[in-house]
Parts: sequence; structure tokens; C-alpha cells
Amino acid sequence: NAGVTQTPKFQVLKTGQSMTLQCAQDMNHEYMSWYRQDPGMGLRLIHYSVGAGITDQGEVPNGYNVSRSTTEDFPLRLLSAAPSQTSVYFCASSLGVWETQYFGPGTRLLVL
Amino acid sequence: DAKTTQPNSMESNEEEPVHLPCNHSTISGTDYIHWYRQLPSQGPEYVIHGLTSNVNNRMASLAIAEDRKSSTLILHRATLRDAAVYYCILRDRRGAQKLVFGQGTRLTINP
Repeated sequence: NAGVTQTPKFQVLKTGQSMTLQCAQDMNHEYMSWYRQDPGMGLRLIHYSVGAGITDQGEVPNGYNVSRSTTEDFPLRLLSAAPSQTSVYFCASSLGVWETQYFGPGTRLLVL
Repeated sequence: DAKTTQPNSMESNEEEPVHLPCNHSTISGTDYIHWYRQLPSQGPEYVIHGLTSNVNNRMASLAIAEDRKSSTLILHRATLRDAAVYYCILRDRRGAQKLVFGQGTRLTINP
């Protein structure tokens, strides 16, 4: 199993540009989530999904959209990037909401 | 969510035991104590979790105080690869939609 994969590893955007961060898992996990981690801080939940077709907001959802059309994929969309979105983004998955979460390697995003 | 308090940093030597403390004085009866760690430039990884009894696995041991207001993660024989930020997290099984990460303890291992 590849586990949780994220692409790209690193991205530079200009303010106002849009992009999609990709997340995929091959463990048939129902629960997937996106976190952001700012320098020296813990992780904060952006959006999560308890299964295909079902998504919900976390602590810091503003400026981000998600959808879950398949069990395997959970992309995170930035519609109009802002410097405040400069961060490292982690995707995680687990069998269920309560189960151990497995994290991807992260995407480092810099918005100029 | 009930809060946890951890020291910002700790230092230990290779091949020695490490005891990482966590205070959670407002823990509720349904809160489980979870530990995750984050190695440099990587995503967090699960270490261990428990409710009331002490727990052991291949990575670590978790010692939980009798009143559950504190717990200690024990690395029995630290290696350089154990250098990471360790997060102590409370999760209520009734509403475990998210992991709430604090700032954790940065563990440095000296060779």
C-alpha cells in the first residue's frame, strides 16, 4: 500500500490564483480530512469527509472547498489564494471517525 | 474539548528512557488519551492511546494516573529517530470528528 499520498510536495502561488491540492489513499478508508500547520503551531482541521459524497467544515474552512466523489480521493481547492494561506497542508485518512488517522507527507504552499 | 498541557521541549540521551508528561486536569470520563508524534518534515503518526489502564505497544508505553488528570508517554530506549514533536490529545469517542493538536513537546535526542 502507498498509504496517503499528496501532490504537489511544494507550490508557489501568487495572490488570487487558484489551485487544487490532491490527496489520495489506497486503504479503503471512509474518513478523510485536511489540516493546515502554520510555523511552530499544531495542526488545525480545515474540512473532513465521512464518506464519498459527504463533507463538512472543520475549524478553519474559510477560503477552501472540498468534494469527495470517490472513496480514494479528497482534493482541497483554494479558489483565490491569499498570503494568509501560506502553510503546510496535511491530508489524513482513517477507517472511521474514531480510528487511528494516517497522515500524508504534506504539501508546502507559499502564497506571494 | 478538554485541554492538555505539555512542556514545550525536552532533551534526552540516546539509549536512555524518556518520560514525556501531559496534564489534562479537565478530562471527562469518556475522553481517551491519544499520543501522536511528528518527525521533522513529515506528517503526524499515531503512537498509542488509552482510557484508564496503562498501555504498551511496540513503540511506547502509556502510563495513566489513577485520577486520569495526567499521563506519561514512555519511550523505553530512545534513538535518534525518536526526535520529534509529541502531541498529547484527548478524544471523546462520542464526538471524535477531529484531532485537536496543541503545540506538543519537542523532544531532542543527544547522541
